[in-house]
Amino acid sequence: EVQLVESGGGLVQPGGSLRLSCAPSGFSFSDHYMDWVRQAPGKGLEWVGRSRNKANRYTTEYAASVKGRFTISRDDSKNSLYLQMNSLKTEDAAVYYCARAGESSGWRDFDSWGQGTLVTVSS
Amino acid sequence: DIQLTQSPSFLSASVGDRVTITCRASQGISTNLAWYQQKPGKAPKLLIFAASTLQSGVPSRFSGSGSGTEFTLTISSLQPEDFAAYYCQQLLTYPITFGEGTKVEIK
Repeated sequence: EVQLVESGGGLVQPGGSLRLSCAPSGFSFSDHYMDWVRQAPGKGLEWVGRSRNKANRYTTEYAASVKGRFTISRDDSKNSLYLQMNSLKTEDAAVYYCARAGESSGWRDFDSWGQGTLVTVSS
Repeated sequence: DIQLTQSPSFLSASVGDRVTITCRASQGISTNLAWYQQKPGKAPKLLIFAASTLQSGVPSRFSGSGSGTEFTLTISSLQPEDFAAYYCQQLLTYPITFGEGTKVEIK
């Protein structure tokens, strides 16, 4: 069974940093594209960024709203996906989901999601 | 960026009703569209990918259609567990974008 478990959320001041983690299981992590998607309270879904698979050298893509501030990385030895968030703004406050991209569609959708971790940005 | 416009934003329906949600893309995206269902406090769940392919395990009352700029998600007979928010999502080009969502509530 595919499982994705996020951790690392919490309260941080504006301008601060936080690192989120995602622990995947039940599939070959290195073979899959992985994404971060967020949802501000009471709002819709917003894509944050992507890490391609090992075959594509784990290259990344980011939303314009986070580019230069957020970094996605992986540690295959620890079977983990990370989202390093720097220079946080109040508008970054959201539930952050780790999501697996669907291979059947050529990585064009998200076929598994974690339960989410809440990030609050406030002074 | 490709914008996705969902309509309606909100709909009220009864159990057994046929429900249709529309998603319009700001430019042609072929069939690079997916639909998700999200219940309060839960993660989204993939329903449909490639515009019309039903994800494994999803009930057959859900169907998707369309290509280019106009897409629909249809629930043929609304069930109590279908009351939720629904989102469309595209990946023809980055950034990946979502529609604003449609909330389906009980009439």
